[in-house]
Amino acid sequence: DTAVSQTPKYLVTQMGNDKSIKCEQNLGHDTMYWYKQDSKKFLKIMFSYNNKELIINETVPNRFSPKSPDKAHLNLHINSLELGDSAVYFCASTLRGAANEKLFFGSGTQLSVL
Amino acid sequence: SQQGEEDPQALSIQEGENATMNCSYKTSINNLQWYRQNSGRGLVHLILIRSNEREKHSGRLRVTLDTSKKSSSLLITASRAADTASYFCATDASGANSKLTFGKGITLSVRP
Repeated sequence: DTAVSQTPKYLVTQMGNDKSIKCEQNLGHDTMYWYKQDSKKFLKIMFSYNNKELIINETVPNRFSPKSPDKAHLNLHINSLELGDSAVYFCASTLRGAANEKLFFGSGTQLSVL
Repeated sequence: SQQGEEDPQALSIQEGENATMNCSYKTSINNLQWYRQNSGRGLVHLILIRSNEREKHSGRLRVTLDTSKKSSSLLITASRAADTASYFCATDASGANSKLTFGKGITLSVRP
């Protein structure tokens, strides 16, 4: 019954590999996000999608490619992983995407690049 | 650049005491939100305060907003060990394209 669920919880991989993180929300929300939290807990938005359409694309390397097959899913694919990509990645959603709405977060995916 | 800056960065108190955490921001905002993050978990929304509001309460939480000083405070009264978490403020800057910008967070430890 988790509202925003993301898999896997932990991801350990070698530099240069390609990996994906999946996210699904069952709240009926229109907008989904990917955030990156670094080792100092600084949380930064990466992307947002509204009903499968890209709305926000921060200055993220193009090795990161979000994919939204439908408004309930937003996956994150990362090519050619680098050491600096190690972080916790959070998926989140809001009802319509307005900044005065509360974000519902998944429990995070801890990515470790060796 | 980062919008919200919380202080202190870490706070340790005894159960039953009150905890006050502050957040300062740089540009005009439409609203400010506070979130809690338990270790190894995602953030959970606590409270939202609009730019035309000065104070808001929710249970043991009290949030104030001073737009002239560009600052907000989160007060947790009668703290419990379960309040141990990181707390983040997030701002919605005026004119921004509907995105929240988070601060670095405050780590609160409540000793039983």
